[in-house]
Amino acid sequence: DAGVIQSPRHEVTEMGQEVTLRCKPISGHDYLFWYRQTMMRGLELLIYFNNNVPIDDSGMPEDRFSAKMPNASFSTLKIQPSEPRDSAVYFCASSAVLGTQYFGPGTRLLVL
Amino acid sequence: SQQGEEDPQALSIQEGENATMNCSYKTSINNLQWYRQNSGRGLVHLILIRSNEREKHSGRLRVTLDTSKKSSSLLITASRAADTASYFCATDYYGNNRLAFGKGNQVVVIP
Repeated sequence: DAGVIQSPRHEVTEMGQEVTLRCKPISGHDYLFWYRQTMMRGLELLIYFNNNVPIDDSGMPEDRFSAKMPNASFSTLKIQPSEPRDSAVYFCASSAVLGTQYFGPGTRLLVL
Repeated sequence: SQQGEEDPQALSIQEGENATMNCSYKTSINNLQWYRQNSGRGLVHLILIRSNEREKHSGRLRVTLDTSKKSSSLLITASRAADTASYFCATDYYGNNRLAFGKGNQVVVIP
């Protein structure tokens, strides 16, 4: 299995631009998680899905952030408009059952 | 916050030595997990210990769980340079499907 796939791996954009991060979970996994990692705040759960349905989005920082999972093999995290404080590494993870999570390589986002 | 919290935050040891990290949490859990993160990479699951277990081994890793003290420890024996990474504990709380991660323990193994 290829593992969790994320794209792009790096993104540099200017403040105010829309950013879309993509994730392909491991086939057969029912749960998908989006995390954000910064030095200051550590690893934060933004939102997670079960069978393509958002279950808990209480970690989404504000309305500028949105996430979708149109099917079992694809999810997006969108930031519109982006701000410098959104600069972080964004991870997608998936799991078959609640427990062990498999992380993607992350998307390193820099908003100028 | 119900996050796990690792202690100490940074550890530097010589290759061949053992490394021990601790994690504490605040409320009842279903299980506790340890993950490793190499620089610039995603987290990799190392080991999961359930709330009714006290000790678990996986290769050179040994994890203990003391639910009365709400704490766990991760021991890496005979460390190698390749063990240089950040180590995170994560807790899975009763009635809560979220994993809460600690801030991580940075371990540097000097060859």
